[in-house]
Amino acid sequence: AQKVTQAQTEISVVEKEDVTLDCVYETRDTTYYLFWYKQPPSGELVFLIRRNSFDEQNEISGRYSWNFQKSTSSFNFTITASQVVDSAVYFCALSGNQFYFGTGTSLTVIP
Amino acid sequence: DGGITQSPKYLFRKEGQNVTLSCEQNLNHDAMYWYRQDPGQGLRLIYYSQIVNDFQKGDIAEGYSVSREKKESFPLTVTSAQKNPTAFYLCASRQNLMNTEAFFGQGTRLTVV
Repeated sequence: AQKVTQAQTEISVVEKEDVTLDCVYETRDTTYYLFWYKQPPSGELVFLIRRNSFDEQNEISGRYSWNFQKSTSSFNFTITASQVVDSAVYFCALSGNQFYFGTGTSLTVIP
Repeated sequence: DGGITQSPKYLFRKEGQNVTLSCEQNLNHDAMYWYRQDPGQGLRLIYYSQIVNDFQKGDIAEGYSVSREKKESFPLTVTSAQKNPTAFYLCASRQNLMNTEAFFGQGTRLTVV
């Protein structure tokens, strides 16, 4: 079975704090792809990153970084020095014939 | 501009009525998806289509129907059989490959009055 778990429902941080969003997945496939999306208040999901199952290198893009660990089936997302504009719902997803989404983590950054 | 267009943005429906949500893409993507979003439940798959004239049920297909007569269009009909249709509906598309990301429309918020 394919499943994505985002145990953190809501997180609040004060601006400039670092915050990590957790994502744990389940799959029997040996080749798979993981994604993170951001959903701002406007509603449209915005693609952030894709990672394949053979590439465990961490990735950094500006204030965003991702830590993929196959051993723990996790694909965590860290925002460094958070800003108010980071306030959104963030979804982790696993790709097969369809996308399997987690329930999302609502992040609020307080000025 | 290339992208996915959903219309309308807001839709009100009386109980017992069918209503159709539009989704059009000009990205030349083979696969298209419909998701329903309710607070605290993430995105749940209603239907998806990987090729024209073919589609499959997702996890919550009951009370919904779709068609895929053209590559660029994947309309969703919410029928009167859907007992709790008030929700936010998102359409997405992608190339028919596992490693590609999905692109999403801006969503349609359906409210039953």
